[in-house]
Amino acid sequence: DAGVTQSPTHLIKTRGQQVTLRCSPKSGHDTVSWYQQALGQGPQFIFQYYEEEERQRGNFPDRFSGHQFPNYSSELNVNALLLGDSALYLCASSLLTSGRAGDTQYFGPGTRLTVL
Amino acid sequence: GENVEQHPSTLSVQEGDSAVIKCTYSDSASNYFPWYKQELGKGPQLIIDIRSNVGEKKDQRIAVTLNKTAKHFSLHITETQPEDSAVYFCAPHGNKLVFGAGTILRVKS
Repeated sequence: DAGVTQSPTHLIKTRGQQVTLRCSPKSGHDTVSWYQQALGQGPQFIFQYYEEEERQRGNFPDRFSGHQFPNYSSELNVNALLLGDSALYLCASSLLTSGRAGDTQYFGPGTRLTVL
Repeated sequence: GENVEQHPSTLSVQEGDSAVIKCTYSDSASNYFPWYKQELGKGPQLIIDIRSNVGEKKDQRIAVTLNKTAKHFSLHITETQPEDSAVYFCAPHGNKLVFGAGTILRVKS
């Protein structure tokens, strides 16, 4: 059973650049959530995608945007990168249509983004 | 917004001892209470969860207890082993997961 996969593993960008991170959900899941985890902190919710639409959003600026494809995979885009965007970006998948069990999220290994 | 606090922030135990981590939350709408374990260089791994209609759940050496009235839930690990060393996060869920700051658990052999 394939778990959540993310690419790339590591990425280095400079301030002002744009970045795209990718996520494939666990087999059978239909919902993807993205989180930002700064060093030494807990993950913070960015947004969640279901049926190719943003279903919910955390307290992140519009520079953070996303997309979900018909095969349920997802991308996270960050524009005009700031030094403070350096973090581990985590993707989690779940099955929304399973009712209450849709709360259960499984995480990928993350993408480590460094902004210089 | 939601407030989630974990205690302690670090915990050192001797191999074979028990470890308890407590999580308090403010969102009364929270109805799902998972615990995640994160090892260095990896994503969080779900280790146990509980729903608001249950007071306690056990899975081998790991248990979670919930006190919804007091708005706290705890992770209990018995017979700790060196491989239990990691960062543990609670993440109560109302309409989304809200993570605590984490607890670093060190198990000394």
